[in-house]
Amino acid sequence: QVQLVQSGAEVKKPGASVKVSCKASGYTFINYYMHWVRQAPGQGLEWMGIFNPTSGSITSAQKLQGRVTMTRDTSTSTVYMELSSLRSDDTAVYYCARGPSVRYSSGSFAYWGQGTLVTVSS
Amino acid sequence: EIVLTQSPGTLSLSPGERATLSCRASQSVSNSYLAWYQQKPGQAPRLLIYGASSRATGIPDRFSGSGSGTDFTLTISRLEPEDFAVYYCQHYGSSPLTFGGGTKVEIK
Repeated sequence: QVQLVQSGAEVKKPGASVKVSCKASGYTFINYYMHWVRQAPGQGLEWMGIFNPTSGSITSAQKLQGRVTMTRDTSTSTVYMELSSLRSDDTAVYYCARGPSVRYSSGSFAYWGQGTLVTVSS
Repeated sequence: EIVLTQSPGTLSLSPGERATLSCRASQSVSNSYLAWYQQKPGQAPRLLIYGASSRATGIPDRFSGSGSGTDFTLTISRLEPEDFAVYYCQHYGSSPLTFGGGTKVEIK
């Protein structure tokens, strides 16, 4: 069965960076896009970007461009999302979510990680 | 960017009642690439509906989606106790993907 297991909670100071991992299992890792979505406390869902594990290409939300990077380790079927220059309003639960096959351009998110709480506080 | 507006913000209903949730897009959603998710406190969202009207695997048939273009609806025919949660619509046809602000379905 498809599973996405994320790394544990993080506490960071303003200006620092955080790297969240998402380990995939139950499917061929490089064949499916991976999305990142975040949710500030008590707020709605915010799409952050999409990562192609085959090519390594990223498309990110405009407000995060320049601060977010996504990488992968194909040997462990893990995708990483790194957010730099952290601010207090980056405090949120960060989710990875599997997208469609890389053969298709669009698809909904049937599988989600359990979420990783990132707290930015001085 | 497609802005999705969900209404109402909160829906207060009793178990057994019918729930009708609305999602309106600022521009037409291509190919009905519109999904609905359910989220309970402390949990990741769960996919209910994709393609505006197709139920995801394992979703009970009391959940149904309809609509096209800019107006979409999620209907829960008879609310079960486990259906009280927050519901989000999402368009996924083009970047940037966006979510609506959510509708909370609470027990009356």
